[in-house]
Amino acid sequence: DADVTQTPRNRITKTGKRIMLECSQTKGHDRMYWYRQDPGLGLRLIYYSFDVKDINKGEISDGYSVSRQAQAKFSLSLESAIPNQTALYFCATSDFQGTGANVLTFGAGSRLTVL
Amino acid sequence: DQQVKQNSPSLSVQEGRISILNCDYTNSMFDYFLWYKKYPAEGPTFLISISSIKDKNEDGRFTVFLNKSAKHLSLHIVPSQPGDSAVYFCAASPNSGGSNYKLTFGKGTLLTVNP
Repeated sequence: DADVTQTPRNRITKTGKRIMLECSQTKGHDRMYWYRQDPGLGLRLIYYSFDVKDINKGEISDGYSVSRQAQAKFSLSLESAIPNQTALYFCATSDFQGTGANVLTFGAGSRLTVL
Repeated sequence: DQQVKQNSPSLSVQEGRISILNCDYTNSMFDYFLWYKKYPAEGPTFLISISSIKDKNEDGRFTVFLNKSAKHLSLHIVPSQPGDSAVYFCAASPNSGGSNYKLTFGKGTLLTVNP
């Protein structure tokens, strides 16, 4: 099984629908992240969580919300999906302790299409 | 403002030759630099990192060089193999200010290694 599992892998939905992308990990890492990748762009941080009670906005959080249900689970929600949220979404984890390189372990991605 | 730039969207090399992927950055607060590799339908995977106190880090066929004065780093792959064909992302993070968890990614370079 993958260390970081994302579901669904692919989803097509319509404008205005609520969508949830789920992420679970077996790494035992405290830190979890949601990134978005658009064609020709790098990965941009949506939300991050340092532990179950510590959730923070990233650089592009508008239109998204998250829930950290447990150390191993971090879900991303689009309350009312719009077409420009069509993208590839990645969940990632790390055990970064504040110094050194923050090495992320990524899931395989969830491709979301909003019509 | 793009703080991490990968100006070559694509690169094509012959098997056995050297691949050189370049990355420039603008934020002088960046202290750690990472390279990730991404295959289609998979998440990015960590490849190699370098601290700003070093100018070179080597791991097997992969070497990263850092030129702080030029704010430039490069990833060398020698010899290149067809399995190295992937998108390579450069990423950077600061080491202070409470935001040292945050990675800023470049747009990626698609490397194609031809047999």
